[in-house]
Amino acid sequence: AQSVSQHNHHVILSEAASLELGCNYSYGGTVNLFWYVQYPGQHLQLLLKYFSGDPLVKGIKGFEAEFIKSKFSFNLRKPSVQWSDTAEYFCAVNLLDYGGSQGNLIFGKGTKLSVKP
Amino acid sequence: DVKVTQSSRYLVKRTGEKVFLECVQDMDHENMFWYRQDPGLGLRLIYFSYDVKMKEKGDIPEGYSVSREKKERFSLILESASTNQTSMYLCASSFHVREGRYEQYFGPGTRLTVT
Repeated sequence: AQSVSQHNHHVILSEAASLELGCNYSYGGTVNLFWYVQYPGQHLQLLLKYFSGDPLVKGIKGFEAEFIKSKFSFNLRKPSVQWSDTAEYFCAVNLLDYGGSQGNLIFGKGTKLSVKP
Repeated sequence: DVKVTQSSRYLVKRTGEKVFLECVQDMDHENMFWYRQDPGLGLRLIYFSYDVKMKEKGDIPEGYSVSREKKERFSLILESASTNQTSMYLCASSFHVREGRYEQYFGPGTRLTVT
């Protein structure tokens, strides 16, 4: 079965530290890629997305992600985190040629980010 | 602004009860989805629907059924609730950005406890 791996279960950083959250997927075909964020007590929000074109995509709140096709990766980055970035982050993949023609997503297990003030 | 609403934020039911979770979206989206979210497991797709009266099984459909009688409403049904169905249930809808490109938007979730 196709899967999405997020390498870190829980990441703890101090404010102003740089962030990189890993995401890998196991599928060689055409993909659409997403990062979602869930702040404490809030619903899942779309952070950024990749469909095609420039593999470096920018999202909201200073986040960016880079699609590296050869590595099947879509890592999320932020140069300087803030306490307000404390949340759970989910990577998700839409496998266009593998049952994903209606946009259904496969999610990773999530990474909890705690930012210490 | 896309709005996906779910009928309850919190629900407590007894084992064996029939449970209905309702989801409504106001953006005329074609596709709707039900996920469950469990700590350490992420989101797992239960069912989705790409049109009225159409449904497709997701990764974990056992013990669940769905109904989509109107485009804006997608219901998740637990025929006989069990304690292992205690979870957060998330509804989503998606729109077709362009050919092969969809964006999903999520509701606030229903935290269901089965005792």
